[in-house]
Amino acid sequence: KNQVEQSPQSLIILEGKNCTLQCNYTVSPFSNLRWYKQDTGRGPVSLTIMTFSENTKSNGRYTATLDADTKQSSLHITASQLSDSASYICVVSGSFNKFYFGSGTKLNVKP
Amino acid sequence: NAGVTQTPKFQVLKTGQSMTLQCAQDMNHEYMSWYRQDPGMGLRLIHYSVGAGITDQGEVPNGYNVSRSTTEDFPLRLLSAAPSQTSVYFCASSSRGYEQYFGPGTRLTVT
Repeated sequence: KNQVEQSPQSLIILEGKNCTLQCNYTVSPFSNLRWYKQDTGRGPVSLTIMTFSENTKSNGRYTATLDADTKQSSLHITASQLSDSASYICVVSGSFNKFYFGSGTKLNVKP
Repeated sequence: NAGVTQTPKFQVLKTGQSMTLQCAQDMNHEYMSWYRQDPGMGLRLIHYSVGAGITDQGEVPNGYNVSRSTTEDFPLRLLSAAPSQTSVYFCASSSRGYEQYFGPGTRLTVT
């Protein structure tokens, strides 16, 4: 069964600290993996997209990694800011235009 | 360039009523889809379309109808609203294999 699991479900960190979010998937065939940021009350916005051959991709303070062998990805946030408080969603694309969504990690950055 | 727009932002229905959620995009994307997002769950695909005149069912299609008469518009119809359809609905569009752009969402409550 094609599944995407994210951990932790929720996370609280202090402003300025780093954190890492995890995503494990069983989707096959694999096309690409995306990380989205979803602010409360808004639609998801793309942070990174990685294909099979890419194992790291950065977008500012966000760095995503992908291990296609173990079917794991992580999203590392450096020097967190209050505006990083949001849900982070891992999405794996399988065969043509089929997207599998994780249930998200809710990050709360406190001052 | 407005991206993906959705109307209304909020809606309250009584059980048994019908309504249409509107979605439009101005990026000339072939692929459009509707998702629902419930607390603690990932986004679930309701219906999708790979081009004007072509639609198909997603994971949770029951109780919803769609049509795609133009590239720009992809309305979602609730035929006879039920409390189980209380959710936040997101429309998304993409060009084949590339990033999905999400609308701001419609928060629907069925009483």
